[in-house]
Amino acid sequence: GEDVEQSLFLSVREGDSSVINCTYTDSSSTYLYWYKQEPGAGLQLLTYIFSNMDMKQDQRLTVLLNKKDKHLSLRIADTQTGDSAIYFCAEEVAAGNKLTFGGGTRVLVKP
Amino acid sequence: DARVTQTPRHKVTEMGQEVTMRCQPILGHNTVFWYRQTMMQGLELLAYFRNRAPLDDSGMPKDRFSAEMPDATLATLKIQPSEPRDSAVYFCASGFINHGYTFGSGTRLTVV
Repeated sequence: GEDVEQSLFLSVREGDSSVINCTYTDSSSTYLYWYKQEPGAGLQLLTYIFSNMDMKQDQRLTVLLNKKDKHLSLRIADTQTGDSAIYFCAEEVAAGNKLTFGGGTRVLVKP
Repeated sequence: DARVTQTPRHKVTEMGQEVTMRCQPILGHNTVFWYRQTMMQGLELLAYFRNRAPLDDSGMPKDRFSAEMPDATLATLKIQPSEPRDSAVYFCASGFINHGYTFGSGTRLTVV
């Protein structure tokens, strides 16, 4: 079955890099996603990676996927105060293309 | 930019009343998800549709919740009767398989 786990909290200094980690259990995942949620708002799609890739870079965002260990990470370079938010990883599985989310990682960027 | 529109944005209702939440997916999207978000449970998948057909509603309490897509431009989530434990933010998302999904701004439901 699907199970997606994330650490609860990350604190980082402005200008440093942030790394948010995620593990998942379903080996039939087709795509893996990172979403950002700011207070009072919906979820905003940041980036996604196909399960047969191991890395994707998009401006300040780098996604790394270790399919063997079922581990996904999101690196944010030069973290800004506007990056403070909750970050969710999600997997889309082959059966029915169901989308399952982790519990979210709250990122706090300190000046 | 195309948006997923959810109405109402906020709803306060008394226990036992019927609540209907609406979602207008982005035109052309063939997949619609309903999620519920609470502090304790995080994001829970309630139901989802593809080409208007329900695929999975196992996350929904069947005795009081129902989800429908009467046409391609409207998805509804109904709770009857509502209970205080249903208080949450309800999100709708639409998209295509393996292309990411766009979320609406949510309906914040408070049942008193």
